Amino acid sequence: DSGVTQTPKHLITATGQRVTLRCSPRSGDLSVYWYQQSLDQGLQFLIQYYNGEERAKGNILERFSAQQFPDLHSELNLSSLELGDSALYFCASSVEGISNQPQHFGDGTRLSIL
Amino acid sequence: DAKTTQPTSMDCAEGRAANLPCNHSTISGNEYVYWYRQIHSQGPQYIIHGLKNNETNEMASLIITEDRKSSTLILPHATLRDTAVYYCIVSMDSNYQLIWGAGTKLIIKP
Repeated sequence: DSGVTQTPKHLITATGQRVTLRCSPRSGDLSVYWYQQSLDQGLQFLIQYYNGEERAKGNILERFSAQQFPDLHSELNLSSLELGDSALYFCASSVEGISNQPQHFGDGTRLSIL
Repeated sequence: DAKTTQPTSMDCAEGRAANLPCNHSTISGNEYVYWYRQIHSQGPQYIIHGLKNNETNEMASLIITEDRKSSTLILPHATLRDTAVYYCIVSMDSNYQLIWGAGTKLIIKP
């Protein structure tokens, strides 16, 4: 158990819809990361937050947005969903988000678009 | 693009040491080498990381060459539960992001 909690585990919805994925980081971790993993692909970094502030953006679509709340949990919002958005979405956390601190991952949310 | 090169797949007999190589010839002086594994679409699991010196923890050992251009992850006594995709990652860009490659699919055989 990594200590990172993601909900829901599975999500099935239709094209054009909007969903929210939730992540609770490990206790004491200030930095949260979101990744997307499509079928049989590697992880693609989406976005990082540190203590409530956006720190870095990766390959995140404009239809996607995220935020980190004062209690440090984070939400990833996906809107106008397309079939290609079907993927595993992982959240990770680390203490400060610096290079010598490992990221610890949750079990992911599997999003299926019908 | 990923900054590491790993074999696509490897086999290892149960009970033997699994040695997973990684090439990172363009590594910078302040970049760490990280190893993660992913078991069948579960969340990636952190294994070990290092900068210059060899590292060991309860899961594995990391051997980094003196020129830091390559490294080897060693699982000392592989079990069937070690079957997974192993990712060697060299951090990072200026925002400390991990850049993931395709990894090595390690299959432990009985």
